[in-house]
Amino acid sequence: QSALTQPPSASGSPGQSVTISCTGTSSDVGGYNYVSWYQQHPGKAPKLMIYEVSKRPSGVPDRFSGSKSGNTASLTVSGLQAEDEADYYCSSYAGSNTLYVFGTGTKVTVL
Amino acid sequence: EVQLVESGGGLVKPGGSLRLSCAASGFTFSSYSMNWVRQAPGKGLEWVSSISSSSSYIYYADSVKGRFTISRDNAKNSLYLQMNSLRAEDTAVYYCARMKGGGSYFAFDYWGQGTLVTVSS
Repeated sequence: QSALTQPPSASGSPGQSVTISCTGTSSDVGGYNYVSWYQQHPGKAPKLMIYEVSKRPSGVPDRFSGSKSGNTASLTVSGLQAEDEADYYCSSYAGSNTLYVFGTGTKVTVL
Repeated sequence: EVQLVESGGGLVKPGGSLRLSCAASGFTFSSYSMNWVRQAPGKGLEWVSSISSSSSYIYYADSVKGRFTISRDNAKNSLYLQMNSLRAEDTAVYYCARMKGGGSYFAFDYWGQGTLVTVSS
């Protein structure tokens, strides 16, 4: 099972929006509504930001939103803030053999 | 407060073994599926293994199948990863991660701080 494909980097100015894509196959992203997104600051553990494609856990700002179309999921961060600068990883359930696959990761820079 | 604390990492020679532990607190450990996820230095996240709440269902990534064994002790609120036949490519920070909703949502909602495993001669 190959990693999901994400762009290596994305950037935006404070207040702007940035969207990160996550491309898989019909065996993972396209086959299940179990895409999640994680934020990771340097030297820290990942933090769950979105689950089941578009749901936000308690405490995650509504500036973070998720969607999916076919084999590609997306995370949008609106109203960029300095603290949003981090690495972001998508993940998808991939069935009973591989179970979970992560994306290659995207470094978001706030200009 | 949910807490996951990993331990057991260190330097090991290729072909050697190591056992990681994850101590859980702040939630009913026996009700949740648990996982190990690793991250090689400067690289992305890689799911390693999952175990259901009662240990009935266990899964491994192809990269570790046959070499790693996941287990848990619900009486001790602890998760384990026995790693044998270690290779240089197993060098990574290993995270213990809880499944949201026990496993219903297929997402990892709490993570430990990680423990570093270095495989080198």
